[in-house]
Amino acid sequence: NAGVTQTPKFQVLKTGQSMTLQCAQDMNHNSMYWYRQDPGMGLRLIYYSASEGTTDKGEVPNGYNVSRLNKREFSLRLESAAPSQTSVYFCASGIQPKLNIQYFGAGTRLSVL
Amino acid sequence: TQLLEQSPQFLSIQEGENLTVYCNSSSVFSSLQWYRQEPGEGPVLLVTVVTGGEVKKLKRLTFQFGDARKDSSLHITAAQPGDTGLYLCAGVPNTGNQFYFGTGTSLTVIP
Repeated sequence: NAGVTQTPKFQVLKTGQSMTLQCAQDMNHNSMYWYRQDPGMGLRLIYYSASEGTTDKGEVPNGYNVSRLNKREFSLRLESAAPSQTSVYFCASGIQPKLNIQYFGAGTRLSVL
Repeated sequence: TQLLEQSPQFLSIQEGENLTVYCNSSSVFSSLQWYRQEPGEGPVLLVTVVTGGEVKKLKRLTFQFGDARKDSSLHITAAQPGDTGLYLCAGVPNTGNQFYFGTGTSLTVIP
């Protein structure tokens, strides 16, 4: 079982470049999430999608956009990357929004120079 | 300021020792979860606590939810090197609908 698959695993960008992080889940979950993880700050929610066709801002949405392409896929786009967006990005999917059991991908390590 | 504060931030102990990790908030949570994350991987759910005062045991790990549902603790008995990792608490506060993670506790168990 693949679970939650993120691509790419590593990426280096120059300031101002754009890119899209891809995430797909095969567990038929309604909810999907994007987090960033920085040292000493745990994981912070960027955007989430409670169901297909809906997206909502999380704790740190500035500089990001998302697309819930279908039930399986949820992408995160950086339109103009900044060094402050250097981080490890995790995608997760869950069974329901409130009492959440979340399953995580292996992460994308992004460096913005 | 993080909604969920964990302490200690770092912990290094010898194999066989006991330890407790704390997760505290000023907000009330309907439930709290504990995850463990190993290097290069995403977090993996360990347990969910739902009722104030609830205690759950998972082998050598004991999880407790505070009576007021504002805090939780994780106690590990006789730690083993395989327990090494980043421990994260997480949950949705009653006042909102967003999921928050704690600041994390990095545990190293030395053989």
